Amino acid sequence: GAGVSQSPRYKVAKRGQDVALRCDPISGHVSLFWYQQALGQGPEFLTYFQNEAQLDKSGLPSDRFFAERPEGSVSTLKIQRTQQEDSAVYLCASSLEEGSQETQYFGPGTRLLVL
Amino acid sequence: KQEVTQIPAALSVPEGENLVLNCSFTDSAIYNLQWFRQDPGKGLTSLLLIQSSQREQTSGRLNASLDKSSGRSTLYIAASQPGDSATYLCAVGAQGGSEKLVFGKGTKLTVNP
Repeated sequence: GAGVSQSPRYKVAKRGQDVALRCDPISGHVSLFWYQQALGQGPEFLTYFQNEAQLDKSGLPSDRFFAERPEGSVSTLKIQRTQQEDSAVYLCASSLEEGSQETQYFGPGTRLLVL
Repeated sequence: KQEVTQIPAALSVPEGENLVLNCSFTDSAIYNLQWFRQDPGKGLTSLLLIQSSQREQTSGRLNASLDKSSGRSTLYIAASQPGDSATYLCAVGAQGGSEKLVFGKGTKLTVNP
C-alpha cells in the first residue's frame, strides 16, 4: 500500500521567501507529526496533530513556522520569510491511532535549501 | 528534558561480523523505544519497536534490548551484510501527554564486502 508521501522533494528558496511543504499521510492514520533534521543530526520534533487538532506545537522554532491539517488528512507546513538556518530536511510521519504505543511511519522528506 | 545519545557515531566492520549499536537516554519515563534505519537521501524505516514493559524485540537478524531503569538500549545485528550499511537512529517516545519521538544523532554503519 501507499506510504507517507511528501512534496516537493527538494526546494530551493531565496532568503525572505515563503515556502509550503505538503505531507500526505497513510490513509486512515489519525496522528501526524512534523520533524526537522539538520545535516548530521537526528530529527527534531516540530508539531503533532491528532486528526485536525494541533495538540503539540512546542517544537516550532519561531512564529514564522505554521502547520495545519484542516480536514484531518493532508498537512501543510508553512515557513514565512525563510532564513538560512531553516535549511534542513523536513520529515513527516503518521501513525494509525493516537498514543505513543504506535509505530510512526516516515515519508521521504523535503530537503529545503535557503540561499 | 529527555536527551538521547548514540555511541559510536560511526562504525565500519567487515561483512559477516556481529555488531552492537548503543543508545542511552536520560529520563527513564518513556512509553517506548524505536530503532530506525535511514539511507542517504531517504526517510526513516522503522526496524523495531519496544514497549516500555518489554525487554527485547527480534526481527530476523536484528535484536533490540531495553533496560529502562538504566536508560539503555542496544541494537544487535547478526552476520552483517553490505546492504546493512546505513545510519541507525534510536528514538524514545516520551511520557507526559505528547506523542513525539526524541531522537539520537545516529550511528553511521558501513559494512565492507
